[in-house]
Amino acid sequence: QKEVEQDPGPLSVPEGAIVSLNCTYSNSAFQYFMWYRQYSRKGPELLMYTYSSGNKEDGRFTAQVDKSSKYISLFIRDSQPSDSATYLCAMSVTGFKTIFGAGTRLFVKA
Amino acid sequence: GAVVSQHPSRVICKSGTSVKIECRSLDFQATTMFWYRQFPKQSLMLMATSNEGSKATYEQGVEKDKFLINHASLTLSTLTVTSAHPEDSSFYICSARPRGGSSNQPQHFGDGTRLSIL
Repeated sequence: QKEVEQDPGPLSVPEGAIVSLNCTYSNSAFQYFMWYRQYSRKGPELLMYTYSSGNKEDGRFTAQVDKSSKYISLFIRDSQPSDSATYLCAMSVTGFKTIFGAGTRLFVKA
Repeated sequence: GAVVSQHPSRVICKSGTSVKIECRSLDFQATTMFWYRQFPKQSLMLMATSNEGSKATYEQGVEKDKFLINHASLTLSTLTVTSAHPEDSSFYICSARPRGGSSNQPQHFGDGTRLSIL
């Protein structure tokens, strides 16, 4: 079993839809959770960074962490074609390396 | 803030050539930098962790004599692919973690180097 599981997609939605991206993990020690966006032929860009459980909102993006279920989510409201990219979840625990999910490819159709 | 510059963005060269890739943190100091390799439609594969002023730590299966890493300053790390062969063709991405604060500060990535060995 991988430490971090992420559905690779692709996920295709119409413009304006609410997008839900998810990751599950097996290591209950993870404390820090991140979401990165990666456009084709570019490096990942940090979108959200959260510690422990709870929600964090930044514009159209909301990150949720449910440590009891070992489940994290990224919601994108009013999705735009420019949101089309691969979204990577990542998580870490103090003193250890960051573990990345496989990434979910998202297509937002105009 | 937290800008990481990676150069060059694209390299095409003949088999047997050595290729150097630079990774610079432009607006912060980075005690730790990371080098990843990414194949098409796959996630990031950590190759090595580079710490300023000390030897890099390589992941299992990564040849340290093949992939030379130097982290000479708090803003620069280099990866040299020695005697590159076609199987080394890939997308190489560096990242940097800001110095100070929690060791769990998130990494910031460069835009990657697409290496093609003919």
